[in-house]
Amino acid sequence: GAVVSQHPSWVICKSGTSVKIECRSLDFQATTMFWYRQFPKQSLMLMATSNEGSKATYEQGVEKDKFLINHASLTLSTLTVTSAHPEDSSFYICSARPPDGMNQPQHFGDGTRLSIL
Amino acid sequence: GENVEQHPSTLSVQEGDSAVIKCTYSDSASNYFPWYKQELGKRPQLIIDIRSNVGEKKDQRIAVTLNKTAKHFSLHITETQPEDSAVYFCAAIRPGNTPLVFGKGTRLSVIA
Repeated sequence: GAVVSQHPSWVICKSGTSVKIECRSLDFQATTMFWYRQFPKQSLMLMATSNEGSKATYEQGVEKDKFLINHASLTLSTLTVTSAHPEDSSFYICSARPPDGMNQPQHFGDGTRLSIL
Repeated sequence: GENVEQHPSTLSVQEGDSAVIKCTYSDSASNYFPWYKQELGKRPQLIIDIRSNVGEKKDQRIAVTLNKTAKHFSLHITETQPEDSAVYFCAAIRPGNTPLVFGKGTRLSVIA
């Protein structure tokens, strides 16, 4: 079945560091991927829609200059949290849908737990 | 845009009893309604889904119902077991390559 791989699974770093998270579709091409953020005991909130070959679409309240998204190929989207601070600590998770996606659910990566000290 | 409301936020049941979680959605164009189970620190796992052309779907102990007119859909878990304890999220999605919109989640505790 369709698989989405996300890396790294866990990051701990100092405040001010930039962190890059990768999301790969392993057995299908994904023109669109979605990035969600989940704070403890809360729901998944959409941050942005990543579009291959074009600019990402950000949800209201999400700073595009802080959360840089690059979708340079049909199988890879990256999210870079620039100059991360403790309030950016969260669970980040990506998802993608196979191209015949009308009849297939979205597939999630395993998520990245980001802890900023 | 779509808005998904989910209730209750927490639910405790005795092992063997049934659990029901309810969601409502606002966008009549939404046509796919998945339910996810999320265990602590892990990604959401799809447990069952329903499309707008179907009113009910069942998979062993899990069933989902959809009322398009009222824009309601519900998850039913029968004969609950301790391993059913987790956070459950409902979601809705419009046609096309659009993102899922999640409810706020229900923390289910099954007491042995």
